[in-house]
Amino acid sequence: AQTVTQSQPEMSVQEAETVTLSCTYDTSESNYYLFWYKQPPSRQMILVIRQEAYKQQNATENRFSVNFQKAAKSFSLKISDSQLGDTAMYFCAFMKPLSTSGTYKYIFGTGTRLKVLA
Amino acid sequence: KAGVTQTPRYLIKTRGQQVTLSCSPISGHRSVSWYQQTPGQGLQFLFEYFSETQRNKGNFPGRFSGRQFSNSRSEMNVSTLELGDSALYLCASSYRDLETPNTEAFFGQGTRLTVV
Repeated sequence: AQTVTQSQPEMSVQEAETVTLSCTYDTSESNYYLFWYKQPPSRQMILVIRQEAYKQQNATENRFSVNFQKAAKSFSLKISDSQLGDTAMYFCAFMKPLSTSGTYKYIFGTGTRLKVLA
Repeated sequence: KAGVTQTPRYLIKTRGQQVTLSCSPISGHRSVSWYQQTPGQGLQFLFEYFSETQRNKGNFPGRFSGRQFSNSRSEMNVSTLELGDSALYLCASSYRDLETPNTEAFFGQGTRLTVV
């Protein structure tokens, strides 16, 4: 069974600095997707960034980038130039399409609470 | 385009009662998934519906059930509520067909259920 581990329950960073959130996962699959979702106090889960496992190039979205190490099963999120609005719970998620049923299932980590300090 | 809408936003129920939560997906999305979020367990997958059929199910007891209507709206029902069912229940929708791998899931703001 797939598992996703986020070993940092809480982190803080000064505004404008860089922070890296860790995520490791366990799977025997070769075809899968990885995601980082952000959940601010409003509770709305928002997709931050996604990575297809077959792509070697690390995904980037503006100030957000990932370090995807497939062999090590590691998928960390780097936030550059942190802003107060980045304060939120961040979830790492693994998704594998199930070819037999055409469906899929997300598996989430337990989250990292990030606080950006002014 | 309207986002994923979950109703109600808050619910307080007593043990033993049952509850029904509703989720309206983004227009055009046919896949709806439900998750239970608790502080200690994070997000746990409940089930996924696609074209009115349950396609996948997580490890929850039979007290948790759901359904999807022809307009893709989904409901989740929990019977014989227990204190441990207190949680934030999140619904997510995605555009998907059987040939296209899933990409992004769009989440609603959730329903906060408190069982007393």
